[in-house]
This record gives sequence, structure tokens and C-alpha cells, in this order.
Amino acid sequence: GAVVSQHPSRVICKSGTSVKIECRSLDFQATTMFWYRQFPKQSLMLMATSNEGSKATYEQGVEKDKFLINHASLTLSTLTVTSAHPEDSSFYICSARVDLSSYNEQFFGPGTRLTVL
Amino acid sequence: AQSVSQHNHHVILSEAASLELGCNYSYGGTVNLFWYVQYPGQHLQLLLKYFSGDPLVKGIKGFEAEFIKSKFSFNLRKPSVQWSDTAEYFCAVIGDTGRRALTFGSGTRLQVQP
Repeated sequence: GAVVSQHPSRVICKSGTSVKIECRSLDFQATTMFWYRQFPKQSLMLMATSNEGSKATYEQGVEKDKFLINHASLTLSTLTVTSAHPEDSSFYICSARVDLSSYNEQFFGPGTRLTVL
Repeated sequence: AQSVSQHNHHVILSEAASLELGCNYSYGGTVNLFWYVQYPGQHLQLLLKYFSGDPLVKGIKGFEAEFIKSKFSFNLRKPSVQWSDTAEYFCAVIGDTGRRALTFGSGTRLQVQP
């Protein structure tokens, strides 16, 4: 099946710093990538939808200036958490969608655990 | 907007017991339905999906799910669970309009005791 990677898998940073997370589709091209966040023992919450070459669409309540998303190519999307604070500590997961007519399957990355001290 | 409810938050079973996890969704149009599994420390994996056709779908590892349109349900079943099925299970839905992103249920933690 299609493979999606994320880097880094784990990051610890100080409050106020910015952290960039990369999401790559390794063996397919993804015109759409999604970013989710998962708090401990909770479900995945969609943060934003990223389309290659255009601005991301953010969900209600997600600060676009804090969570910068760039989808520069068909295989790479990045999420930058700017001026991170402890409440941003979470598990961030990306997924990439294979757009084949009506086929909607998404493939998920392994996630990035962010801890802000 | 669509929503998904999973009523069982934590299920504990003994090996060889049968499993049924409930999933109900709310959406007025055509939906695609999914069950994902997240094993401890691993990423989400697709168990099975329903797009159209036979409402009884079979997935990997002996799992199956039945789409009952009149009940807005897509329950996951397995006749005999194994210890290795211990994981978090998420039901998800995509509606036929809008950005077509997955909406997840809150998840069910399954613990299988040997």
C-alpha cells in the first residue's frame, strides 16, 4: 500500500520556539494532505486540509497564523507550529489522499509527538 | 456536517470472545465509511471500508462490518478476538460534499486478555 512518512517522530522544544513537521508521500503523488491532532486517549481532530499549490483550509478554531501549512509539492506538506506553548503539546498526524475518481482512501503517517516545555 | 458516535469507549474481552463495536453516524447524504485501527505505538491502519454495494464488508485480520442505512450504523465485528487485537479502533466517515475529509469517532479501546 501507499506509504506516508513524517519527520521528526518526536520533538521536545522550549516554549516560544517554532517547530516544523514534514509529511511525505513516498510512493505516490498526493494532491491533498490533511493534518490532524490527537490528544491523549482522544480521537483525531482535523486541523486543516492542504492542497498542493494553494492555501490550506483550516477548521474552525484552528489558528492559521499559529499552525502554518505549506504544500509545496505533490509529495510534501509541512506543518510549522509557531511560538509553541505547552498547550500545543500533542500528537500530530498527517494523511495523504489518493485522488482516483471517487476513491477516497487516505493513508496516514506515523505521527509526530510534540512536547513543549 | 457529519458526525460519528462510538458508544463503547473501553471494551475488555477474553481471547476467543466475539466482538462488536458500535458506530453511528449523522449525515444526510451519501457516505463512505471506514474503520481504522491503531495498535500501541503505531500509526493508523485501515481495517475496512464501505463505499457502495454489498453492505457487509470484509476487511483484514478477520474483521467485518455491516452498513445499515436505516440505522445510520456501521458496526465492526469479529467472531473470535486474539490478544494481538488489543488496540484503539476508530470509525470514520466521509460525506459526499465539501472538503471530503475524514470525521472520526472518539475511538474504542479494546483490551483482549489472554
